[in-house]
Amino acid sequence: AQKITQTQPGMFVQEKEAVTLDCTYDTSDQSYGLFWYKQPSSGEMIFLIYQGSYDEQNATEGRYSLNFQKARKSANLVISASQLGDSAMYFCAMRDLLNYKLTFGKGTLLTVNP
Amino acid sequence: GAGVSQTPSNKVTEKGKYVELRCDPISGHTALYWYRQSLGQGPEFLIYFQGTGAADDSGLPNDRFFAVRPEGSVSTLKIQRTERGDSAVYLCASSLRPGGPTEAFFGQGTRLTVV
Repeated sequence: AQKITQTQPGMFVQEKEAVTLDCTYDTSDQSYGLFWYKQPSSGEMIFLIYQGSYDEQNATEGRYSLNFQKARKSANLVISASQLGDSAMYFCAMRDLLNYKLTFGKGTLLTVNP
Repeated sequence: GAGVSQTPSNKVTEKGKYVELRCDPISGHTALYWYRQSLGQGPEFLIYFQGTGAADDSGLPNDRFFAVRPEGSVSTLKIQRTERGDSAVYLCASSLRPGGPTEAFFGQGTRLTVV
């Protein structure tokens, strides 16, 4: 069984600063993918970034980067130069690459202060 | 439309009633998923369709829940004899194919409230 743990129920960051959202995972699978989704108050889950378990480099997508430490089973999301529009719930998720089900964490509520 | 569309966006129903929630996936996406998100939690898997067939319905909580996708596109999640514990946001997602690094694209969800 797969498990995602997000230990930060809420985080605050000043506009234009960087913030790290923590995610640890547990799985016995050898091949898996890690995902981060953003959920604004509108409710839609917006895909941000993906990291494969065999990818040697950390994934980056614009202001988002994923700090992947396989030995520690962590996949932290780093948001650089925070913007007010980044205020939202952020969910870490994982999936066995032969499978289709996403397993989500409980999320972290990020608030960006002006 | 370009994204996953879910209707209605909000549904209030009385305990014991029957409800249908609709999902229109991204055109060409063969894989379709339903998730349920309770307050303060992450989404939890309910059912997965590959084409017209339900490849995995192991997440459906009980036999009051049923979903169909008769033509391999639009899907309907059906809940019979609704209970207050069914209140949640029901999210639909679709992806080009089920496995690999492809991400699932989610709709905005249907907020179901059972009173």
